[in-house]
Amino acid sequence: KAGVTQTPRYLIKTRGQQVTLSCSPISGHRSVSWYQQTPGQGLQFLFEYFSETQRNKGNFPGRFSGRQFSNSRSEMNVSTLELGDSALYLCASSLAGQNSNQPQHFGDGTRLSIL
Amino acid sequence: AQSVAQPEDQVNVAEGNPLTVKCTYSVSGNPYLFWYVQYPNRGLQFLLKYITGDNLVKGSYGFEAEFNKSQTSFHLKKPSALVSDSALYFCAVRVPNRDDKIIFGKGTRLHILP
Repeated sequence: KAGVTQTPRYLIKTRGQQVTLSCSPISGHRSVSWYQQTPGQGLQFLFEYFSETQRNKGNFPGRFSGRQFSNSRSEMNVSTLELGDSALYLCASSLAGQNSNQPQHFGDGTRLSIL
Repeated sequence: AQSVAQPEDQVNVAEGNPLTVKCTYSVSGNPYLFWYVQYPNRGLQFLLKYITGDNLVKGSYGFEAEFNKSQTSFHLKKPSALVSDSALYFCAVRVPNRDDKIIFGKGTRLHILP
């Protein structure tokens, strides 16, 4: 069974640009969550999508947005990039979502660097 | 507010010795507790979880964790450390039907010394 796939693995952008990251969950998983990981702040929850609906979101500005498609694949978009957006962005999928006792399965992340 | 704390940024253990990575939580209600491990340039991997029942939970790679309700702790343990256990470990907590977000600790870097 294929794991969670995130593309691209690495990305370099400049301030003011926008970026779209992609996540393909494990087959059959309907929940996709996104996290930002930085050395200073650790792992911070961005949002969760379940069956194409955003079910929960963290405390990030509106520049961070996402969506989920009918095949459960998800995209995350960051507009007007800032230097502080440099981070590892992780996607995690699970069968039933964060309101269940099921563990999350993580992709290897997209490392975003802002110049 | 829900929170989870990993009081040690780094833990050093000699190979073959027992290891403990600490986690405490502050929630109202009965939490679901998880441990994950992250190797360099990789995502997090699930190790084990506590939902209900036996306070001692066994997981992958020989790890186990003990749920202690009175001390609100969920420490990760292994009887004999391997060099390959060196990684970043995250504790996570969720309270069912409240907020529904999973909260991660800041992580503890485990160094196993040969």
